[in-house]
Amino acid sequence: NAGVTQTPKFRVLKTGQSMTLLCAQDMNHEYMYWYRQDPGMGLRLIHYSVGEGTTAKGEVPDGYNVSRLKKQNFLLGLESAAPSQTSVYFCASSKIAGGTDTQYFGPGTRLTVL
Amino acid sequence: DQQVKQNSPSLSVQEGRISILNCDYTNSMFDYFLWYKKYPAEGPTFLISISSIKDKNEDGRFTVFLNKSAKHLSLHIVPSQPGDSAVYFCAARGAQKLVFGQGTRLTINP
Repeated sequence: NAGVTQTPKFRVLKTGQSMTLLCAQDMNHEYMYWYRQDPGMGLRLIHYSVGEGTTAKGEVPDGYNVSRLKKQNFLLGLESAAPSQTSVYFCASSKIAGGTDTQYFGPGTRLTVL
Repeated sequence: DQQVKQNSPSLSVQEGRISILNCDYTNSMFDYFLWYKKYPAEGPTFLISISSIKDKNEDGRFTVFLNKSAKHLSLHIVPSQPGDSAVYFCAARGAQKLVFGQGTRLTINP
């Protein structure tokens, strides 16, 4: 099992460019999440999905869109990147929502927006 | 409004001693609490958790204590080992989502 994988690992964008971050999990988990980690801010939830075809907003959703067309994949899109979106992005998955079933995290994508 | 707070950005402990990491929360509706450990250039990994109906959970060298009246939880690591050097995040579950603290960087000195 690869667990949770993220593509790409690093990316540099110019302001206004778009990109898509891909998250894949092979654990047949229902729930998937996108977080961003910034210094002194911990992990903040951007969007999440409770199953194939469903998505919901988290704490900091502005400027991002997501799609969950397949159960194993969760895509995070930036339509028009801004320097404030420079961050490390983590994807996670869990069998159920939090609690007794823990979230498993990918290795992260480091994004820099110039 | 930070619902989960880790007020110590960093902590330095001598190898073999006890490490105590603290976390405070404000939302009394949180029903489950977790600690994650993160090494550089890796994603966080689950360490230990506790239900809100308990006040202590132990797993080997790691013990988590929950004080609901004070809305405070702590992670004890004893004895501390060099491999424990990492960033530790506490998290609380509410409305089927996790809310994370800012993290505490633990450094174990030989």
